[in-house]
Amino acid sequence: DIQMTQSPSSLSASVGDRVTISCRASHDIRLSLAWYQQRPGKAPKLLVYTTSKLESGVPSRFTGSGSGTDYTLTISSLQPEDFATYYCQQYYDPPWTFGQGTNVES
Amino acid sequence: EVQLVESGGGLVQPGGSLRLSCEASGFILSRYNMNWVRQGPGEGLEWVSYISYNSASTYYVDSVKGRFTIHRDDAKNSLYLQMNNLRDEDTALYYCARAQYDSSGFSYIDKWGRGTLVTVSS
Repeated sequence: DIQMTQSPSSLSASVGDRVTISCRASHDIRLSLAWYQQRPGKAPKLLVYTTSKLESGVPSRFTGSGSGTDYTLTISSLQPEDFATYYCQQYYDPPWTFGQGTNVES
Repeated sequence: EVQLVESGGGLVQPGGSLRLSCEASGFILSRYNMNWVRQGPGEGLEWVSYISYNSASTYYVDSVKGRFTIHRDDAKNSLYLQMNNLRDEDTALYYCARAQYDSSGFSYIDKWGRGTLVTVSS
């Protein structure tokens, strides 16, 4: 199975900050990486797929990058609605595994 | 508008069974691969099961193999998860999730339902 290690598990930030979340796969997942945002009490929401493709309607302040085993989600200027938990997921090979999550808090 | 509405959760004793349902609307279910993903209380997301658009392929996380069965009835616009021999550790919010193919032919989750809560306890 492919293990996904996400870091940090939590971070404190302020509105306007640049935020970076990392995700490392135990094997090369060949860009098959998605990022999800989950607000408290809500279902996850797709932000990015295929490492860097922005889902329709997602603000351009979200950027995904990476290759091989190392991937990154960047929020260029944190907005109040961005305080949430973020998960990476590899969909290269079943079982499709998630990272442990990163809680972005103020 | 794409909607996925789960139902069938509840309180069940260890060793018991439940069948979760997911009713899809706003899209043609038969064209999409589907998944179940769960989230334990205060925990992260765990992918549970997948079924291809034509039911030809199914996959399960190791912890549920032999106990859970995913199936679909496209005529009823519905996805199901039959859960048998439930354990305490199966307690979670279960999400139904639609998958899209990317340009490389890999299937990623793009839409989620709101979930149905399963509690396994004596």
